[in-house]
Amino acid sequence: AQSVTQPDIHITVSEGASLELRCNYSYGATPYLFWYVQSPGQGLQLLLKYFSGDTLVQGIKGFEAEFKRSQSSFNLRKPSVHWSDAAEYFCAVVPGGTSYGKLTFGQGTILTVHP
Amino acid sequence: AAGVIQSPRHLIKEKRETATLKCYPIPRHDTVYWYQQGPGQDPQFLISFYEKMQSDKGSIPDRFSAQQFSDYHSELNMSSLELGDSALYFCASSLDRGGNTIYFGEGSWLTVV
Repeated sequence: AQSVTQPDIHITVSEGASLELRCNYSYGATPYLFWYVQSPGQGLQLLLKYFSGDTLVQGIKGFEAEFKRSQSSFNLRKPSVHWSDAAEYFCAVVPGGTSYGKLTFGQGTILTVHP
Repeated sequence: AAGVIQSPRHLIKEKRETATLKCYPIPRHDTVYWYQQGPGQDPQFLISFYEKMQSDKGSIPDRFSAQQFSDYHSELNMSSLELGDSALYFCASSLDRGGNTIYFGEGSWLTVV
């Protein structure tokens, strides 16, 4: 079955440290890939997306993600985390060629940032 | 810039009552999506509309219905509410369904007591 997995439910990092959030997908073909961030009680904000082309994607707020077809992964990274990055992060996919709005989300990773 | 507007932001209903959520997409956006996010859960796709016609259907209960109106706003109607319907309901919109980023509203919190 098609699925999206975020193996880490909760990650804690110190401010200024680097960050990597993992995302793996299981689809027959390369889907379209997204990362969203959700602050408590807030909506979902798109950080970045990958459709095709360069496998290293730059997003907002200093985030980037790398698509690795061989590993079916789309991990999110940030070289230096700020306290305001504390939130929940969702990886999401859409099967290629379908509506970009019918997203399937991973379970989410809660990021805590220590001062 | 204008964003997706959802109303009401918070709603408390009793079991077996009916609730209606409204969504106003970003101007010129013609596609609307509804998602349900239960407590501690990831968002689940419910239904979408393109040019006022239903375009996709996900895990939407039969007790729920939705439509998109001529001004492109959408309403999600939920009847015979159950405790398990308590969730954050997101609306999102995009400019055509084929190739653009979707933008989410801040959600409507529904609590069923």
